[in-house]
Amino acid sequence: NAGVTQTPKFQVLKTGQSMTLQCAQDMNHEYMSWYRQDPGMGLRLIHYSVGAGITDQGEVPNGYNVSRSTTEDFPLRLLSAAPSQTSVYFCASSYRQGAYQPQHFGDGTRLSIL
Amino acid sequence: DQQVKQNSPSLSVQEGRISILNCDYTNSMFDYFLWYKKYPAEGPTFLISISSIKDKNEDGRFTVFLNKSAKHLSLHIVPSQPGDSAVYFCAAPAASNDYKLSFGAGTTVTVRA
Repeated sequence: NAGVTQTPKFQVLKTGQSMTLQCAQDMNHEYMSWYRQDPGMGLRLIHYSVGAGITDQGEVPNGYNVSRSTTEDFPLRLLSAAPSQTSVYFCASSYRQGAYQPQHFGDGTRLSIL
Repeated sequence: DQQVKQNSPSLSVQEGRISILNCDYTNSMFDYFLWYKKYPAEGPTFLISISSIKDKNEDGRFTVFLNKSAKHLSLHIVPSQPGDSAVYFCAAPAASNDYKLSFGAGTTVTVRA
């Protein structure tokens, strides 16, 4: 049972490039979310989804897009990378909807924008 | 503006002693709190939670205390073990949207042998 799988684990981009961070879960969880972790700021919610076809913005959504075409996958797209998006990105999922439920996190993608 | 605050970035404790991690919140509408633990190069894992209808919740060596009047909660680890060395995050669902989780900045715990 893989849980939440994030790819790639590391990525270096140049300013202006685009890329997609992949997230997949095999637990049939309805709720999925993306966070970024920056030093001294904890984790901040970027986007979340309460089920296939339904997404909404979190605390820091600017510069990011998401889609949820299947229950399993929740990719995060950087449209035009900026140095301010250098961060560690975590994907999470939970069986039932809502932040009250303990979430299962992937091991993160460390992204550097030059 | 962070609504969940962990003002101590780090804590060092001797093995076998008690670790006390603190968390303050600003929104009196918060009614549920979670603690997550994170090792380097791994994602956070859920540790323990507490509802505002309780003032204490215990799970093995981990106990969380909630003081609603002071808008303060604490996590006690007794006894501390080397494997407890990690970053601990306090979190709460946003009062206006229970799909959104607000995290504190985290406290790094180092347990000395």
